Amino acid sequence: DAGVTQSPTHLIKTRGQQVTLRCSPKSGHDTVSWYQQALGQGPQFIFQYYEEEERQRGNFPDRFSGHQFPNYSSELNVNALLLGDSALYLCASSAGGARSSPLHFGNGTRLTVT
Amino acid sequence: QKEVEQNSGPLSVPEGAIASLNCTYSDRGSQSFFWYRQYSGKSPELIMSIYSNGDKEDGRFTAQLNKASQYVSLLIRDSQPSDSATYLCAVNMLPTGNQFYFGTGTSLTVIP
Repeated sequence: DAGVTQSPTHLIKTRGQQVTLRCSPKSGHDTVSWYQQALGQGPQFIFQYYEEEERQRGNFPDRFSGHQFPNYSSELNVNALLLGDSALYLCASSAGGARSSPLHFGNGTRLTVT
Repeated sequence: QKEVEQNSGPLSVPEGAIASLNCTYSDRGSQSFFWYRQYSGKSPELIMSIYSNGDKEDGRFTAQLNKASQYVSLLIRDSQPSDSATYLCAVNMLPTGNQFYFGTGTSLTVIP
């Protein structure tokens, strides 16, 4: 049973560039959430996708956008990268029908912006 | 402002002791609560979920929830060095949506 998979594992970008991160949810899960975790902090909610639509959004600027595909996989796009965007980006999947369903995390993508 | 607060620690306990981790949350309407373990450089791993007031036990782990006090805790019995990690408290604040709020985590070190 495949868990949540994310790619790439590490990424180095230059300020002002754009980046796309990818996520495949755990088998049987249809909801994907994206989190940003800065060093020494807890994960911060970016947004959640269900049925190919953004269902919830956290306090992140429009530079952060996403997409969910019919196979439930998802992408996170960040435009005009800032140094402060350097963080671990976590994808988490859950069963969308159960609102209290726990999140299952992927291994994350470490983004470094120079 | 919806917040989840944890003592950042570090918390050190000797091997075999009980480690007690605490978490408070601000939204009285919160419905579901989770504890995650995160090893350094790794992603969070689900340990426990709790939805009703009282205690829930799973092996060496016990989660305790008190909604009136807006307080949730995690007890780790017979602590092992492999339990050394950061423990994250997560709260799903329904009915605003299926959106998890995390605390900053408590760093636990179990000393052999």
